[in-house]
Order: sequence, then structure tokens, then C-alpha cells
Amino acid sequence: DAEITQSPRHKITETGRQVTLACHQTWNHNNMFWYRQDLGHGLRLIHYSYGVQDTNKGEVSDGYSVSRSNTEDLPLTLESAASSQTSVYFCASSDTQETQYFGPGTRLLVL
Amino acid sequence: DAKTTQPPSMDCAEGRAANLPCNHSTISGNEYVYWYRQIHSQGPQYIIHGLKNNETNEMASLIITEDRKSSTLILPHATLRDTAVYYCIVRVNANAGKSTFGDGTTLTVKP
Repeated sequence: DAEITQSPRHKITETGRQVTLACHQTWNHNNMFWYRQDLGHGLRLIHYSYGVQDTNKGEVSDGYSVSRSNTEDLPLTLESAASSQTSVYFCASSDTQETQYFGPGTRLLVL
Repeated sequence: DAKTTQPPSMDCAEGRAANLPCNHSTISGNEYVYWYRQIHSQGPQYIIHGLKNNETNEMASLIITEDRKSSTLILPHATLRDTAVYYCIVRVNANAGKSTFGDGTTLTVKP
């Protein structure tokens, strides 16, 4: 069955380190999204992509970057991790009018 | 995208209908109303969406007022497994990445 996966599921890192979170989907969806969710709050959009080589900034993009070299993957990179980036990160994908399908999330702790 | 307003929490008795309201008074004519839910920190799950007509699927019903300024998600026979945070968002379609999930409504289904 088609699915969307994220790795790692849990990550502990130190302030200043570069961290990359992986997102992989097998639906062949053109659109992929990254959100963060802080404790007790809703999701906020970080970056999104409508296709290969396309990337766009979301509401809270500072300190994050993405690249889209193929349809299946949209890795999220924290260039220099900060404690304020401790959060749960969700990846999602969709195709045109369809709903978004979300991955299981990555819990990131920045010490 | 239009902003939405939802009550922070609601309770419902098991087996009864759960009616979750959402206000979206600044919705534009081409924006859909989407509902998602998030169970215990899992990735959000799509429930239903609509433009102006009422919609029903195997999970829920969506009632949109004639002026489209508010809507209600109805879970006809709530079960304990329906306990979750429910998010109402409005956007052009799933292709539009510029959407933010608010804090949602925490629905607690009680035995």
C-alpha cells in the first residue's frame, strides 16, 4: 500500500548542529508539505513543494530549508538547530484536489 | 486563507451525536472548509470537506450555513475512539500549501 514515512521518529541534538529530517511518500504525489506542532497547539506550515525543483516558504520558514530532487522525497534541514526548534514535525503530501495525507511525525529535542 | 474560530474543548456522551462548530466569517467564495482530526499526537487525519453544500461520508457529516460563515461537523454516534483534537481549516483546495491549523477543538467522548 502507498504510504508516507518519516525518519527518524525521535531525535535529540545539540544547539548549533545541522539536522535533516526525512520524508518519503509512495503515492507519487506532486505536493509535499512540512509542518511543526508545538505542545498544545495546532500545526504551522514551514515549507512546501508543488513538484520537483519547486520549493516555497510557509508561515515559519526561518532556520529551515528544503530541497526537492525527486517526487518521493522532501527532506527538511535545520541549518543550525536552536532550542526554539524543539517540536514535533509532520510531513504531508497531496495531489491536486485531494486531501493531505500526513506522516507519523518526528519528535525533535534540541538541547 | 480565511481564519477559523473553534471552541477549545467539548464533551460528548458515548453513542450520542457530537456537533463541533466552526466560524469562518471571512471565507472567500472559492475556499473550501476542511476538517481533520488528530488522535493522541499522531499525524492529522482527513475527515471531510465541502464548498457550500452539505456533505456526508462514512465518518461524518458537514453542515455549512447558507452564508458560508460557519459550519458544523457532526459525528453521528460518537465512540471513545473519536476522542481527539478536531481542526477546521479553510483554503482553496489541498493544493494550496498556505494553510494553518489553529488550535482546534479537543473532543472528549465519555462513557
